[in-house]
Amino acid sequence: AQSVTQLDSQVPVFEEAPVELRCNYSSSVSVYLFWYVQYPNQGLQLLLKYLSGSTLVKGINGFEAEFNKSQTSFHLRKPSVHISDTAEYFCAVSLDDKIIFGKGTRLHILP
Amino acid sequence: DGGITQSPKYLFRKEGQNVTLSCEQNLNHDAMYWYRQDPGQGLRLIYYSQIVNDFQKGDIAEGYSVSREKKESFPLTVTSAQKNPTAFYLCATDARGNGYTFGSGTRLTVV
Repeated sequence: AQSVTQLDSQVPVFEEAPVELRCNYSSSVSVYLFWYVQYPNQGLQLLLKYLSGSTLVKGINGFEAEFNKSQTSFHLRKPSVHISDTAEYFCAVSLDDKIIFGKGTRLHILP
Repeated sequence: DGGITQSPKYLFRKEGQNVTLSCEQNLNHDAMYWYRQDPGQGLRLIYYSQIVNDFQKGDIAEGYSVSREKKESFPLTVTSAQKNPTAFYLCATDARGNGYTFGSGTRLTVV
């Protein structure tokens, strides 16, 4: 069965510091990978996606992620966070006609 | 602008009542999905539909029902059989490999 593991439920980081949110998936076949962001009481917004090609994917709001097939990881990074990045972030993997989501990582930006 | 409209934003249900959550889209996407979100649980799939007049159960379909009579609409009914319906409900459509587009959600509370 396919699954997505987000290794940290919460990540505190100081404003303007770099951040990495970790995601590992399990799958025996090629997959599509996604990161979504959710602000309080809102739906999810697509940050970036990996479908094929370059393993380094750039998304919106200065985020990027690197697909590592050997480690089955798709970690999300940002070199300098802002207070507006406070949100919950979800890693997701698609297979066939469904997308499976991780349990989310809450990013806390400290002043 | 194309998008997904979920209504109402907040909904209160009495014990033993059925309630229906609305999801309408004008993106011309074939596939539509309903997810339930609980704190720390991520998103869990309730039902999904690939085409009009057809739908499949997701991981937690018990106590819920859906219909897909029109491409644009995918309403979710939370029945009295759902013993713990308090949650945030999200509707999404599929852009075929481009990742899901989400509505802004409905927060259901049992009173």
